[in-house]
Amino acid sequence: SQQGEEDPQALSIQEGENATMNCSYKTSINNLQWYRQNSGRGLVHLILIRSNEREKHSGRLRVTLDTSKKSSSLLITASRAADTASYFCAPLGAGSYQLTFGKGTKLSVIP
Amino acid sequence: DGGITQSPKYLFRKEGQNVTLSCEQNLNHDAMYWYRQDPGQGLRLIYYSQIVNDFQKGDIAEGYSVSREKKESFPLTVTSAQKNPTAFYLCASSGTRVNEQFFGPGTRLTVL
Repeated sequence: SQQGEEDPQALSIQEGENATMNCSYKTSINNLQWYRQNSGRGLVHLILIRSNEREKHSGRLRVTLDTSKKSSSLLITASRAADTASYFCAPLGAGSYQLTFGKGTKLSVIP
Repeated sequence: DGGITQSPKYLFRKEGQNVTLSCEQNLNHDAMYWYRQDPGQGLRLIYYSQIVNDFQKGDIAEGYSVSREKKESFPLTVTSAQKNPTAFYLCASSGTRVNEQFFGPGTRLTVL
């Protein structure tokens, strides 16, 4: 299994600003997924991008994938206080059934 | 409502006791997973099961055991052999090949 590594570890922004989080991984992937975790809760699936896709949108979320650099980014536009959470990327390795999660990016959106 | 449930939400046990965490899903998913999360850390895979009556060890299986007798249920037992069991335990299920996972609310286990 391989692990996604998120960067930065922590991010603090004002409400209304955009938040960008990055993820790097090591080997070939089938897809890469982003999850959100509110403090003390389970994870919630946000968006999935397949290895043959370069960009995907869902509401205020925009995910990009660069397989040549083995990296992905998650952009949250016009952030809200409710976006305060930890965000994890989870690559699904080619031929694997296991997702692996890094330590996440802790996002704080200040009202 | 479809979903995945874990119980209890909080669990306190004395050192040396085995304890079983419950995980149930009514999503008709074949695959189920157990993760452990320590403060400020990511999720580490303990065990997973892709089908009833079959399961595989994850990255940190030592000191844990599971069973998968029914599709809906995947209980995790934390045994006395687990050296540092205090953690937040998350159960997840998946029904597709792309492995989008649905998580339960978690059980916070504290060993006194």
